[in-house]
Amino acid sequence: EIVLTQSPGTLSVSPGERATLSCRASQSVSGSFLAWYQQKAGQAPRLLIYGASTRATGIPDRFSGSGSGTDFTLTISRLEPEDFAVYYCQHYGSSPLFTFGPGTKVDIK
Amino acid sequence: QLQESGPGLVKPSETLSLTCTVSGGISSYYWGWIRQPPGKGLGWIGSFTYSGSTYYNPSLKSRVTISVDTSKNQFSLKLTSVTAADTAVYYCVRWVNYAFDIWGQGTMVTVSS
Repeated sequence: EIVLTQSPGTLSVSPGERATLSCRASQSVSGSFLAWYQQKAGQAPRLLIYGASTRATGIPDRFSGSGSGTDFTLTISRLEPEDFAVYYCQHYGSSPLFTFGPGTKVDIK
Repeated sequence: QLQESGPGLVKPSETLSLTCTVSGGISSYYWGWIRQPPGKGLGWIGSFTYSGSTYYNPSLKSRVTISVDTSKNQFSLKLTSVTAADTAVYYCVRWVNYAFDIWGQGTMVTVSS
């Protein structure tokens, strides 16, 4: 079973600044199977990135994904007020078929 | 769009039953269920493909059944022998490109007597 670890647990950032979120897999995975989600309080998660680096429909270009092997990164280039939320990475694999990381909360500094 | 429906309160040891209604066709896509306990992270429950394959989280496999009614554009979740640990928001989702691109709004299910 592949375990995803996200860091930091909480990231305090000022609006307009850059945020870098990390997702590390317990073993090497294909980037084709790595996705990122944003979840605001009281809302369902929203798909941001799939295939490690492809933005989902309607996602602003300030969100970007990168990485390979065991280390993946979600970068928000300039934080907007609506970007303060919890972010999850997710992997498609073998058993279980889908796993999620524990999440990184991005809050206002 | 996806819309979950079902009881918000289930007694311990009973069966949790939820339905997801899909606006638009249910065929040609893959679907599934994800849950989120209060204040915690996301957990995948299970998924199925339009070709008939079903996949369950091994941690829940003995208690979970996902079924589909294509004539009604609905799919369902049954989770037996529930305990307080099954209290969560339950989401139905669409699975595309190894990710979940469409989510229902979620429905809170509490297990309590």
